[in-house]
Amino acid sequence: AQTVTQSQPEMSVQEAETVTLSCTYDTSESDYYLFWYKQPPSRQMILVIRQEAYKQQNATENRFSVNFQKAAKSFSLKISDSQLGDAAMYFCAYRRTGTASKLTFGTGTRLQVTL
Amino acid sequence: EAQVTQNPRYLITVTGKKLTVTCSQNMNHEYMSWYRQDPGLGLRQIYYSMNVEVTDKGDVPEGYKVSRKEKRNFPLILESPSPNQTSLYFCASRHLAGGHEQYFGPGTRLTVT
Repeated sequence: AQTVTQSQPEMSVQEAETVTLSCTYDTSESDYYLFWYKQPPSRQMILVIRQEAYKQQNATENRFSVNFQKAAKSFSLKISDSQLGDAAMYFCAYRRTGTASKLTFGTGTRLQVTL
Repeated sequence: EAQVTQNPRYLITVTGKKLTVTCSQNMNHEYMSWYRQDPGLGLRQIYYSMNVEVTDKGDVPEGYKVSRKEKRNFPLILESPSPNQTSLYFCASRHLAGGHEQYFGPGTRLTVT
């Protein structure tokens, strides 16, 4: 079974600084998708960034980028120029290819942004 | 606006009183699913459906039922709720094929006393 591990329950970053959230996963599949979701206090799940495993290039969305290391099964999220609105719970998630496949989530990292 | 809606958003009930949480999506998605979120455990899938009349168990299906009579709706039924079903519940949907984004509803906070 696939597992996703987020080893940092809480992180803190100062406004305008950069922070990296860690995620590792375990799978025997070669083709899959990886996601980072943000959950602000409103509880809404918001997709931050997505990576296809067959793509070597790391995904980037504005201030958010990933470091995807397929061999190491690592998928970290880097937030640059952190803003107060980035404060939230962040979940890493994995989904294998296939129509019936589900999202497998990590336990989350709570990010605090300080002035 | 493309969205997944859930009702109610908050619910407090007592042990054993049957309840239904509704879920509806307007994106013509084939795949719909329910997750529960508990502190320290992330989100875990309860049930999923790949199309009308096609449903299957996820990782934590005990104590729950679902139905998919229409493509847009996927209600979650707790026939005899117990306190260990106190949780935050999310409905989600996506297209079947490809690495499409999964869209989440706003969540339902359920408390069973």
